Amino acid sequence: DSGVTQTPKHLITATGQRVTLRCSPRSGDLSVYWYQQSLDQGLQFLIQYYNGEERAKGNILERFSAQQFPDLHSELNLSSLELGDSALYFCASSGGKGREAFFGQGTRLTVV
Amino acid sequence: AQSVTQLDSQVPVFEEAPVELRCNYSSSVSVYLFWYVQYPNQGLQLLLKYLSGSTLVESINGFEAEFNKSQTSFHLRKPSVHISDTAEYFCAVSHSGAGSYQLTFGKGTKLSVIP
Repeated sequence: DSGVTQTPKHLITATGQRVTLRCSPRSGDLSVYWYQQSLDQGLQFLIQYYNGEERAKGNILERFSAQQFPDLHSELNLSSLELGDSALYFCASSGGKGREAFFGQGTRLTVV
Repeated sequence: AQSVTQLDSQVPVFEEAPVELRCNYSSSVSVYLFWYVQYPNQGLQLLLKYLSGSTLVESINGFEAEFNKSQTSFHLRKPSVHISDTAEYFCAVSHSGAGSYQLTFGKGTKLSVIP
């Protein structure tokens, strides 16, 4: 158990809809990262938040947004969903002197 | 910009045989290096990391990796594999000098251990 919790584990939704994925980082970790894993693109970094502020941005679509709340949990919002957004979405956290990231179990999103 | 190349997408190997999973990276700055393992239908687990110091790093379950700066490689090895090592292995790098430790991943290598 990495200590990073993601909900829900599975999500099935229709094209055009909006969903929210939730992540609770390890206790004390200030950084939260979001990654997308798909068969064609592999694992790609989307966005990072550090203590409530956006720290870095990767290949995140404009239809996607994220935020980190005062209790440090984070949410990834995906809107106007397309079939191609079907993927596994991972959250990871890191903190302190450690440079490694610890990953949650992921949310598998299926857009139909 | 950084990139990671995992030269083999699939590696079949017999149980108790040695294995090497290859990883090369490209970066204009100093990096941290990682190997993650993903078992079927599970998340990514950190296997081992190189941050600084000794270029040979080991995991608790018998894997080791060696950082070779001149060859920009971080190959993963195990002298004798077990059935339970069947999984997908990802090599990753992050920029050591930045405030963000976002990871750039390779495409992954699927290790299949044959009984």
